[in-house]
Amino acid sequence: EAGVAQSPRYKIIEKRQSVAFWCNPISGHATLYWYQQILGQGPKLLIQFQNNGVVDDSQLPKDRFSAERLKGVDSTLKIQPAKLEDSAVYLCASSTFRVGYEQYFGPGTRLTVT
Amino acid sequence: DAKTTQPPSMDCAEGRAANLPCNHSTISGNEYVYWYRQIHSQGPQYIIHGLKNNETNEMASLIITEDRKSSTLILPHATLRDTAVYYCIERDAGGTSYGKLTFGQGTILTVHP
Repeated sequence: EAGVAQSPRYKIIEKRQSVAFWCNPISGHATLYWYQQILGQGPKLLIQFQNNGVVDDSQLPKDRFSAERLKGVDSTLKIQPAKLEDSAVYLCASSTFRVGYEQYFGPGTRLTVT
Repeated sequence: DAKTTQPPSMDCAEGRAANLPCNHSTISGNEYVYWYRQIHSQGPQYIIHGLKNNETNEMASLIITEDRKSSTLILPHATLRDTAVYYCIERDAGGTSYGKLTFGQGTILTVHP
């Protein structure tokens, strides 16, 4: 079974530029999550999709972050404009709705904002 | 905010059992205890979860106290590849949270030769 795919793996941009991350979840997984992990901290949920609908975006900085999941499969997370404090690893995860429904994480995208 | 408490770091000798404690004194009746780990430069990996009974799988064992206020993750024969950050998480398995995970700081487990 193929895992969660993310790209790019690394990205360096200057502040005020825009950036986009892509995630392809495990086939058949209806739920998709984006997390932000700042160095030395645990991951923090930014947004959660159920199919192509948003079920939780309470911690998404909506003035600069946006996310979409067209057709309920792939997802993109965008930051525009980026700030220095956005430097972090952005993790995508997916899960089914079966009992336990553990989340499977991708390798993440390491973003550095200079 | 995370509702669990874990020691910031622990050491373990290779081949010995690693016992990682977690306090979750405010856990409610419909919340499970989940354990994930994160090896350096990788995404978190699911290990095990439980509600009130002890659980075992191919990776680890989970011992939950009878009052459910604490638990211990046991890696029976730790190897160098088990060096990672281990997260203990309370998770609502129902309702509208859709299984949201709230990570804390975790425990850095270092397995040494």
